Amino acid sequence: KAGVTQTPRYLIKTRGQQVTLSCSPISGHRSVSWYQQTPGQGLQFLFEYFSETQRNKGNFPGRFSGRQFSNSRSEMNVSTLELGDSALYLCASSLAKGWTDTQYFGPGTRLTVL
Amino acid sequence: GENVEQHPSTLSVQEGDSAVIKCTYSDSASNYFPWYKQELGKRPQLIIDIRSNVGEKKDQRIAVTLNKTAKHFSLHITETQPEDSAVYFCAASKNFGNEKLTFGTGTRLTIIP
Repeated sequence: KAGVTQTPRYLIKTRGQQVTLSCSPISGHRSVSWYQQTPGQGLQFLFEYFSETQRNKGNFPGRFSGRQFSNSRSEMNVSTLELGDSALYLCASSLAKGWTDTQYFGPGTRLTVL
Repeated sequence: GENVEQHPSTLSVQEGDSAVIKCTYSDSASNYFPWYKQELGKRPQLIIDIRSNVGEKKDQRIAVTLNKTAKHFSLHITETQPEDSAVYFCAASKNFGNEKLTFGTGTRLTIIP
């Protein structure tokens, strides 16, 4: 099976712009979670989508949003970018079925905000 | 919410020796504890996980132990090899419809040849 894929792999934006990142889960996986990874804050949970619904949400401002499509692919959007949004954004997919909820990560999108 | 603490932040061991990384969690409702290995510039990769219904799990040179009463779990790597050098993250979640992983701050493991 193909692994989790993310596009684009690298992005450079300027403050105030918005950005959309995409994640394609492993085939058959129904849950997609998003994480932000920075040297200072480590890995932090953004949100999780399951069956096109946001099921869990972390402590990030409303500028961070996401959605999931009927084929389980997910996008996250960051509006009004700030310098502090520079990070590696990782998505992870899981089967989300009882105990079989192991999360597998994609390669990430490296976002740089100038 | 859940809080996961991880120690040590850096660890250097001689090749062939064992390495132990410890994590504690705060939420007694957490019941799933994975460990991820992240090499430089790469994605976190699951190396082992344990659920609250068992106290220990082993996979070749890697083992994880869980003490629910004390709310801590540990990763043990035996016969370390240079390719074990990486950053290791522990995490905790409540499982069953709660896919949110709360991560520890990571341990940079260096294997000295």
